[in-house]
Amino acid sequence: AQTVTQSQPEMSVQEAETVTLSCTYDTSESDYYLFWYKQPPSRQMILVIRQEAYKQQNATENRFSVNFQKAAKSFSLKISDSQLGDAAMYFCAYRSREYNFNKFYFGSGTKLNVKP
Amino acid sequence: SAVISQKPSRDICQRGTSLTIQCQVDSQVTMMFWYRQQPGQSLTLIATANQGSEATYESGFVIDKFPISRPNLTFSTLTVSNMSPEDSSIYLCSVGGDLLYNEQFFGPGTRLTVL
Repeated sequence: AQTVTQSQPEMSVQEAETVTLSCTYDTSESDYYLFWYKQPPSRQMILVIRQEAYKQQNATENRFSVNFQKAAKSFSLKISDSQLGDAAMYFCAYRSREYNFNKFYFGSGTKLNVKP
Repeated sequence: SAVISQKPSRDICQRGTSLTIQCQVDSQVTMMFWYRQQPGQSLTLIATANQGSEATYESGFVIDKFPISRPNLTFSTLTVSNMSPEDSSIYLCSVGGDLLYNEQFFGPGTRLTVL
């Protein structure tokens, strides 16, 4: 089974600064999706950004961008100009497009603290 | 995108009782998923619910403990049976990961405390 690893249980960033959250995954497949989800305290989990493995260009959504390194099986999330509202748990997730494609594999999460 | 609601949002239950959690989606979807999330932890998939068929359970989860219903394409329920304090957790409903949606959309969750 695929595994998703987030090696940073908790991180802190100063407001307006930039922070990068790490995610690595293990798969033998070549076609898949990768996601970053955000879960604010006591609030709903929402999608931050999505990357298709066949696309070489890194996905960007406003202040959020990814560094997708397919050969290295790395998928980091960069948050620029951090805001207090960015404080949340962030989960990296993998979804195959080849086999068992309905199943999502989630990392253990990184808690992001934003300091004013 | 899909909008998902869950009822109840939270509950405190006594050991040995059962609780049924409802999940409603604003559009017809093929697959619905039920997750458990311990506070501050990642998500653990309990089962996948398809309309008109038996739910598919992940390793470590059984139908007798977590019976699931899926009567139509917009609704599902998860029952936590014969509860113990170890069942205290957040239970999340989600949809997606199919031909219609690439990503999963999550409900707000049900926070369960078992005394």
